[in-house]
Amino acid sequence: NAGVTQTPKFQVLKTGQSMTLQCAQDMNHEYMSWYRQDPGMGLRLIHYSVGAGITDQGEVPNGYNVSRSTTEDFPLRLLSAAPSQTSVYFCASSYDREQYGYTFGSGTRLTVV
Amino acid sequence: GENVGLHLPTLSVQEGDNSIINCAYSNSASDYFIWYKQESGKGPQFIIDIRSNMDKRQGQRVTVLLNKTVKHLSLQIAATQPGDSAVYFCAVWGDNAGNMLTFGGGTRLMVKP
Repeated sequence: NAGVTQTPKFQVLKTGQSMTLQCAQDMNHEYMSWYRQDPGMGLRLIHYSVGAGITDQGEVPNGYNVSRSTTEDFPLRLLSAAPSQTSVYFCASSYDREQYGYTFGSGTRLTVV
Repeated sequence: GENVGLHLPTLSVQEGDNSIINCAYSNSASDYFIWYKQESGKGPQFIIDIRSNMDKRQGQRVTVLLNKTVKHLSLQIAATQPGDSAVYFCAVWGDNAGNMLTFGGGTRLMVKP
């Protein structure tokens, strides 16, 4: 099925642990982004990529790393998890910046204890 | 930076009535605007978009109005149905130098039967 696939759907981490949130799309989209959504709030951009090998910071990049070695995959790494990173994380992709906006994955709910 | 906000956090309407959800933005150079619908436990879903060279665009039961003079856009839903109950976000692309999609805080639409 075409779309954006995120894994895992749920994750609990202890403070200080590291992990990688996976994101894959099979639509040959160049643009990919990671957002976090806190309760009752909108989405805030963490990192984004406009193509393989190119990444840039969004508005809340601290504590997160990304890489884009292929067009299909855009993993998000939490270096040392903190309770403030408890959130729902969404990955999104788009063919270009003005092609019906972004297609979003179903999200990863992360809890840091 | 971009400041995108919504006037009403919750909107309650009767089934069959029309709904209007508002959004304000701050960057006059913004040139592409998108409305998303987010149902509980899911990622945002594209509804309709509009470019800055237009002031109105219609879809199926939805209309987006853009007023660049006051930097305001609205989403109108005709004959609101229970399935329209969700959180609605406006999102704004920055100017051509930016590849960031900035989201507003969201409005929850509740449809009463």
